[in-house]
Amino acid sequence: DAGVIQSPRHEVTEMGQEVTLRCKPISGHDYLFWYRQTMMRGLELLIYFNNNVPIDDSGMPEDRFSAKMPNASFSTLKIQPSEPRDSAVYFCASSGLAKETQYFGPGTRLLVL
Amino acid sequence: GENVEQHPSTLSVQEGDSAVIKCTYSDSASNYFPWYKQELGKRPQLIIDIRSNVGEKKDQRIAVTLNKTAKHFSLHITETQPEDSAVYFCAALYSGGGADGLTFGKGTHLIIQP
Repeated sequence: DAGVIQSPRHEVTEMGQEVTLRCKPISGHDYLFWYRQTMMRGLELLIYFNNNVPIDDSGMPEDRFSAKMPNASFSTLKIQPSEPRDSAVYFCASSGLAKETQYFGPGTRLLVL
Repeated sequence: GENVEQHPSTLSVQEGDSAVIKCTYSDSASNYFPWYKQELGKRPQLIIDIRSNVGEKKDQRIAVTLNKTAKHFSLHITETQPEDSAVYFCAALYSGGGADGLTFGKGTHLIIQP
């Protein structure tokens, strides 16, 4: 199994631009999670899906952030418009029947100038 | 929602000594407590977890203890080695239902001094 796959691995963009992060979970996993990691705030849960349905998006910082999961093997996290304070590492993770053992992807390092 | 506090934020120990990292949680319903290790520039990786029906779990040099009454759990690493240097995160979850996901502590930077 290839594990959780994320793309791109690095993204540098200018303030105001749209950013789209992509994730492919481990095949057969029912849960998909999006996290953001910064030095100041640590590892924060943004949103998670169960069987492609968003369950808890209370961690999404504001309306500029949106996430979708059109099918069991693909999810996107979009930031529009991006701001410098969005600079962080964004991780996607997936887990099986329970929300327990989560496997993280390699992360996308986002820098907004 | 759940709140997880983790201490210390930085821990420096001599190679071969033991290291202990402590976490407290606020939601008595939480029943699953994983620990993740994150090396510099890498992804968090699960190293050990414990469920609320047991008080202790060991895996070679790593052990985790849980005190449900006091709502705290700890990670113990014995005979530390240079490759143990990393940031360690604790987390808590109620896995029986509800909308909440994992809540992470802020992390402990473990430094193993040669």
